[in-house]
Amino acid sequence: AQKVTQAQTEISVVEKEDVTLDCVYETRDTTYYLFWYKQPPSGELVFLIRRNSFDEQNEISGRYSWNFQKSTSSFNFTITASQVVDSAVYFCALRGGSNYKLTFGKGTLLTVNP
Amino acid sequence: DAGVIQSPRHEVTEMGQEVTLRCKPISGHNSLFWYRQTMMRGLELLIYFNNNVPIDDSGMPEDRFSAKMPNASFSTLKIQPSEPRDSAVYFCASSPDGGNTEAFFGQGTRLTVV
Repeated sequence: AQKVTQAQTEISVVEKEDVTLDCVYETRDTTYYLFWYKQPPSGELVFLIRRNSFDEQNEISGRYSWNFQKSTSSFNFTITASQVVDSAVYFCALRGGSNYKLTFGKGTLLTVNP
Repeated sequence: DAGVIQSPRHEVTEMGQEVTLRCKPISGHNSLFWYRQTMMRGLELLIYFNNNVPIDDSGMPEDRFSAKMPNASFSTLKIQPSEPRDSAVYFCASSPDGGNTEAFFGQGTRLTVV
């Protein structure tokens, strides 16, 4: 069975603060893929990143960075210098190597206040 | 490039009526997914097509739900008869290689059954 836990239901920060969204996963697959999606108030789901289980290098894309640690089964997402436009629900998701199905966490609602 | 296109964006219908949701996947993608999002259950996979063939419909909640993919560029999700508990956001997603990479989601259809 696969499981994704996003323990933070809601986070509220002030603009320009850094914020980290936590994601912990469970899987028995030795090969798996981790994802982050963003759901802004308009409702669509926007793909942000995919990470393979065999690649533990952290990734940075502009103000976004991701920390993948297999030892703790975590795939955390940090936004540096947050902006109001970052306000959204963020979902972490997992797919086993032999499976096509995405297992989503419950999501974290991030509110960035001006 | 156009993304996944869903219609309608919003649907309000009376209990007992038939509802048809439509999806046009990204051209060249061979995998198509229907997901449902509710507050209680989060995002859950309803059905998965690969090369227009339904591979896994174990997530379809009841016989009232049916999905078709007559060709590579069109899919429908039908609910007949609809019930208030079917109220949710229904997402269609596609991916290019059997679900081995990230799935790209449409903007969703918000269904309200009164």
